[in-house]
Amino acid sequence: DAKTTQPPSMDCAEGRAANLPCNHSTISGNEYVYWYRQIHSQGPQYIIHGLKNNETNEMASLIITEDRKSSTLILPHATLRDTAVYYCIVRVSRGSNYKLTFGKGTLLTVNP
Amino acid sequence: EAGVTQSPTHLIKTRGQQATLRCSPISGHTSVYWYQQALGLGLQFLLWYDEGEERNRGNFPPRFSGRQFPNYSSELNVNALELEDSALYLCASSVRDEGFAEAFFGQGTRLTVV
Repeated sequence: DAKTTQPPSMDCAEGRAANLPCNHSTISGNEYVYWYRQIHSQGPQYIIHGLKNNETNEMASLIITEDRKSSTLILPHATLRDTAVYYCIVRVSRGSNYKLTFGKGTLLTVNP
Repeated sequence: EAGVTQSPTHLIKTRGQQATLRCSPISGHTSVYWYQQALGLGLQFLLWYDEGEERNRGNFPPRFSGRQFPNYSSELNVNALELEDSALYLCASSVRDEGFAEAFFGQGTRLTVV
């Protein structure tokens, strides 16, 4: 799986948009970008994933650059409950690498 | 729909003992993944099972083993426990298709080795 780089921590004001960047400059053409988050001591929660196009769901939006070397997860209106470690993961979908490899993630702290 | 369930939620063992952790995947999911998360560290991939077979293994010693049953539930066994095995052990399940699949995680088993 391609290596990802994320800032170790970020702050965001409650009600504002949180933009979490991820660099994956060595991503391959068949690798998807996934985002998970882990609230303290809980199991990670799937947020969103994409391959080439931007994606949006009820939780977040995922913006992938045209060259696919970086992406941004956007939480449009952050709440205190969004405080968590956010993991950006790239992975292939078949073969022996069919697993999720987690990095250290970004600790997002939403402040009142 | 029931999510991924893990048991027990907490487990306390002494050094040298064996621990058995259990995971029930979401109905219809055939893949089960095990991860270890030591305090303050990220998730380390342990094992991946699919259709009853071990498909991939992380960089852990052989005393970490497991199996997947015909109903796709899974066990993780840790033999000869060491103090540094104390961690949150997370299980995830997913559909193994040829495209993509999001993995759903359980709440974990917190293993404490004393």
